[in-house]
Order: sequence, then structure tokens, then C-alpha cells
Amino acid sequence: SYVLTQPPSVSVAPGQTARITCGGNNIGSKSVHWYQQKPTQAPVLVVYDDSDRPSGIPERFSGSNSGNTATLTISRVEAGDEADYYCQVWDSTSDQHVVFGGGTELTVL
Amino acid sequence: EVQLVESGGGLVQPGGSLRLSCAASRFSFSSYEMNWVRRAPGKGLEWVSYISSSGRTKFYANSVKGRFTISRDNAKSSLYLQMNSLRAEDTAIYYCAGGPKSYPFDYWGQGTLVTVSS
Repeated sequence: SYVLTQPPSVSVAPGQTARITCGGNNIGSKSVHWYQQKPTQAPVLVVYDDSDRPSGIPERFSGSNSGNTATLTISRVEAGDEADYYCQVWDSTSDQHVVFGGGTELTVL
Repeated sequence: EVQLVESGGGLVQPGGSLRLSCAASRFSFSSYEMNWVRRAPGKGLEWVSYISSSGRTKFYANSVKGRFTISRDNAKSSLYLQMNSLRAEDTAIYYCAGGPKSYPFDYWGQGTLVTVSS
């Protein structure tokens, strides 16, 4: 089955830029979606189809996808961005169909 | 605003059964494709099951195949997950999630906790 690999943790100072990667075999050929989950809350979609933002998500959140790596970029990081972030793809060639990355814990120093 | 509310979680013994429900409101549920996703303690998100808007197409994660059954009642705007032969490793918060297409998952409920323990 298809595997998505994320770093377990990323730390960044307020005001700086955080980059969270999601690695997968030829992931550039798939649409990647990103979710943010804060403690005790439900996940929230922050980027879909590699780089689009749902209504209400700040422009500070952006995404890219090429080759074997997709990246979620959070600019001008704020304390409120501290959360777990997950990448996701739909893999029609796999019997699992929906695959999540292992998640990345973003810490704002 | 779209609303998804899960219910039916609780404490169950290994080998037991539980039926989760997800009540949808404020959107056209019958046109949405839906899923169940779980998060076990200390772990990440794990997709569990998918059902098409008509209910005719269903997919399952290997970890639950043969034990869990997803279904929906569009007339009642409700999604269900019948969980049988429960194991300790099924302990998790279960979320219903979906959207107008198979992916992404635009909307999520707040989750319901399932604990499998003797």
C-alpha cells in the first residue's frame, strides 16, 4: 500500500516560516491535502489539491507538491498554529484508497 | 454551517460490538461522500471506511475489513459504523468526515470515544 512519510516534529519561532514535508513515491502525480488538528479538537482542512486554501484559512498557509515531496508552508507562524498536521492522498491503485501521513507536531518556540 | 455530530461511543469488552452514528444537518447529506476516521491514543489519524453518496460503493481499511460495516440513511441524514469483534487496538476517537467529492474531507464531526477494554 502507499506510504506517506512526515517528520514527527517541527519547531519554529514566532514570526518565522515553518515547512512540513510529506514524502511519497511520485507523490507529485497525486493531489495532496493537509489537515490541522489542535488538542481536543476535530481536524480542519487547511490546504487541498496541493495548494488551494478553503474559505476562512489564512493566506499564511500554502502548499506545493513535486516529485516525491509535498510541502505545507506556514508563514509568519503564530502561537495559535501549534498543532498536529497531517497530509493525505486518495490512492485509487491501493486497496486502502485513503492514506494519511503519520503526522507532524508543530511546536512554536 | 455544516454540522456533523457523532454518537454511540463508549466502553465495550473485547469481542463486543458497538454501532456509531453521525447525524448531519445544514447541508445536502445525500450528495456528500462520507468516511469514518479514527485517532488512537498517542497515534495519528487513520482512515477507517468510505461510502459513496448513494451508498453503493464502500471501502475499508485492512485493519477493520470483515469486522466493521459502514452504511448510511439519506432520508435520515445519518451515517453509521457497525463495529463487531472489537479489539483493544480499536480504542480511539472516531470521527465522521466528508465532502461533496471523495476527497478532500471538507467537514468533520467532533468525534466519539470508543474504548475496548475488559
